[in-house]
Amino acid sequence: AQSVTQLGSHVSVSEGALVLLRCNYSSSVPPYLFWYVQYPNQGLQLLLKYTTGATLVKGINGFEAEFKKSETSFHLTKPSAHMSDAAEYFCAVSGALDSSYKLIFGSGTRLLVRP
Amino acid sequence: DAGVTQSPTHLIKTRGQQVTLRCSPKSGHDTVSWYQQALGQGPQFIFQYYEEEERQRGNFPDRFSGHQFPNYSSELNVNALLLGDSALYLCASSLLRDSYNEQFFGPGTRLTVL
Repeated sequence: AQSVTQLGSHVSVSEGALVLLRCNYSSSVPPYLFWYVQYPNQGLQLLLKYTTGATLVKGINGFEAEFKKSETSFHLTKPSAHMSDAAEYFCAVSGALDSSYKLIFGSGTRLLVRP
Repeated sequence: DAGVTQSPTHLIKTRGQQVTLRCSPKSGHDTVSWYQQALGQGPQFIFQYYEEEERQRGNFPDRFSGHQFPNYSSELNVNALLLGDSALYLCASSLLRDSYNEQFFGPGTRLTVL
């Protein structure tokens, strides 16, 4: 079974500050991990993904995430927040090698960026 | 290259009615998945279609059914609508042989049940 926990339904940062959105997962098989962003009244856009190989993954818009197997975490970071980063962020997991094609999503974290 | 498209954008129905939502996958993709996103929650997997067959199903009642056509487009049907079916319905497409399971999402259909 797989699950995702996103700590903090809302995160507020000042423009230019570090962004840290937390994601912990549970998976009985090697996971594939994803971060998606959702702007108001829109669908989901893939920010980045971890499949295999390098554990530090770089994505679009300056975001990156690090897969830490020992901590079962995949936290999303960005060194300097921009007003345009304000959105809902979802962490998701799917199972590698076990034909589990569905994505399991966390409940989301709304990022607020203060001027 | 068109991405995933969905229609309609918005829909209002009353309890007990039936609804059909439509999805066209990204060019070159052969697999379509449907997700329900209730307000303030993450998307929940409904089912996935490949080669016109339901490949996997989430924890949704039989009122939710689907179809995939030879051109890979897909429909989601919901019968006997309940107030709790009000949500954003997202379609995602992918390529089955893509073992990394990268799914591309459409803009969604917002269904309101009164």
